[in-house]
Amino acid sequence: EAGVTQSPTHLIKTRGQQATLRCSPISGHTSVYWYQQALGLGLQFLLWYDEGEERNRGNFPPRFSGRQFPNYSSELNVNALELEDSALYLCASSKTGNPAGELFFGEGSRLTVL
Amino acid sequence: ELKVEQNPLFLSMQEGKNYTIYCNYSTTSDRLYWYRQDPGKSLESLFVLLSNGAVKQEGRLMASLDTKARLSTLHITAAVHDLSATYFCAVPTGNQFYFGTGTSLTVIP
Repeated sequence: EAGVTQSPTHLIKTRGQQATLRCSPISGHTSVYWYQQALGLGLQFLLWYDEGEERNRGNFPPRFSGRQFPNYSSELNVNALELEDSALYLCASSKTGNPAGELFFGEGSRLTVL
Repeated sequence: ELKVEQNPLFLSMQEGKNYTIYCNYSTTSDRLYWYRQDPGKSLESLFVLLSNGAVKQEGRLMASLDTKARLSTLHITAAVHDLSATYFCAVPTGNQFYFGTGTSLTVIP
């Protein structure tokens, strides 16, 4: 069974550009979570989607947005990129909308903003 | 907002020694997860603790959960170099998961 897959693995952008990151959850999982991990830091919660709806959002500006598609895959968009957006972006999926369900993580997308 | 604190943040230990990492959280939750992260890599699930008093062991690692004290421990027995990584605890509550600050473990030969 395939795990959580993320693309691209690496992405280099310049300030002011937009970045789009993609995530495919494990088959049968309906919930997708996005986290930002800046270098040497912990995980900061970005967004949680379940059954196509945004269920919760972390303390990030509106230029961080996303969506979940009918097949439960998800996309994270970051507009007007700033240098401090450089980070590893991790996607995780879980089986149900119950937030207590175990999270399974993808390998991450490393975004570098120059 | 739920706070999840781990200590120590950094741990350097010699091979063969024992040590315990602590995870304290600030609100009620009946379950807790431990993850491992190698440098530049994603998070790998280590333990799922689903009830008060739960204890899980895998190799040289043992995790426990005390929901009344809001405390989980990750005990390392006879550390080996392969255990060098960052360890995170995570607490689900409400509508998100809260991750601890992480403990960066380095095992020295």
